[in-house]
Amino acid sequence: DTAVSQTPKYLVTQMGNDKSIKCEQNLGHDTMYWYKQDSKKFLKIMFSYNNKELIINETVPNRFSPKSPDKAHLNLHINSLELGDSAVYFCASSQYTSYEQYFGPGTRLTVT
Amino acid sequence: SQQGEEDPQALSIQEGENATMNCSYKTSINNLQWYRQNSGRGLVHLILIRSNEREKHSGRLRVTLDTSKKSSSLLITASRAADTASYFCATDASQKLVFGQGTRLTINP
Repeated sequence: DTAVSQTPKYLVTQMGNDKSIKCEQNLGHDTMYWYKQDSKKFLKIMFSYNNKELIINETVPNRFSPKSPDKAHLNLHINSLELGDSAVYFCASSQYTSYEQYFGPGTRLTVT
Repeated sequence: SQQGEEDPQALSIQEGENATMNCSYKTSINNLQWYRQNSGRGLVHLILIRSNEREKHSGRLRVTLDTSKKSSSLLITASRAADTASYFCATDASQKLVFGQGTRLTINP
């Protein structure tokens, strides 16, 4: 019954590794997002997709690559992880942009 | 740059008291939303107020919007321990929501 789910919940990895975070929503929403929340709780949008098409890319390094195989899934792949990538990453979805968003539980990424 | 800024950054009150949080923003908006985040959890949508609305209620929540001052407030009445969380305002700008840094609310029993 979970509306927006993310896996894994925790991810601990070393610098230089490549990792992926998966997100799925069962709300039938057309738009999905990835956010990054830093240690000061500042939440910043990274990407948004509408019906599998990228509509927002917020000056995120090329090491981050979102992939949307269908409108219910939006995965985030990160290459060559750096210490500064440590944060909590949230997936979210909404029926339309600017409408209320439904957030996943977050993935806490720790890069050592 | 950041669109919404919440004030205060932290607020601690006794259970049963009312809590008021403020949000200021910089550009014109279509709507403003408030979200709650419990520790270690994702954000939960609380209420959306459109730019042509001045006040909105939802249970113990009351939100006001003053577009001339570019500000909004969230009032939680008769606070409970379960209201302890961080509260964020978010404004829509160019097909995205921009979040403030939040107000950390602590309700003391």
